[in-house]
Amino acid sequence: DQQVKQNSPSLSVQEGRISILNCDYTNSMFDYFLWYKKYPAEGPTFLISISSIKDKNEDGRFTVFLNKSAKHLSLHIVPSQPGDSAVYFCAASARYGGSQGNLIFGKGTKLSVKP
Amino acid sequence: DVKVTQSSRYLVKRTGEKVFLECVQDMDHENMFWYRQDPGLGLRLIYFSYDVKMKEKGDIPEGYSVSREKKERFSLILESASTNQTSMYLCASSLRPSGRQFFGPGTRLTVL
Repeated sequence: DQQVKQNSPSLSVQEGRISILNCDYTNSMFDYFLWYKKYPAEGPTFLISISSIKDKNEDGRFTVFLNKSAKHLSLHIVPSQPGDSAVYFCAASARYGGSQGNLIFGKGTKLSVKP
Repeated sequence: DVKVTQSSRYLVKRTGEKVFLECVQDMDHENMFWYRQDPGLGLRLIYFSYDVKMKEKGDIPEGYSVSREKKERFSLILESASTNQTSMYLCASSLRPSGRQFFGPGTRLTVL
């Protein structure tokens, strides 16, 4: 059973507009969430993270929102640029609860930003 | 700067060959991971290791084995390569199992 779900396999957005990528999780023990970005033929690179004590974290054009009651997080990219076109993976773990469980990844959302 | 390197970026092998994929990290991380990435299936964990000489099966270990003789090095072995093992293979390391993982550039393996 998937503990981290990215229900949209793909998303297409116009340059300059907002991109919103969504992620849902089922394990209430998860307290640490990350987003990775992956270009073809490259390894994933870390983008932004958030712990469960916060509901928002911002880094430049990237903002992650966490809604613990809904077990939902989202990544907002504003404004979107063609270079943002990539696959975005959501990941989660029970990091602060003392568990030794691994980071669990979603299946990814392919973002295409059209010029 | 953190660095995870993989022995090859592209590899072409024949069915039945033994294949070694090597991964080296310079961050003194205890934990290392091997994933494969296929379209629509995301990152699937093959094996991971919490320490030297220790290994744990991930979600799809069949057809693979691993070796961790030194802390910085984690090898993935395909004992007898098959065409369904054609994929992108990604190695990662982390300070804690539940923490941020640092990925290598990946190896695109094609088995003919």
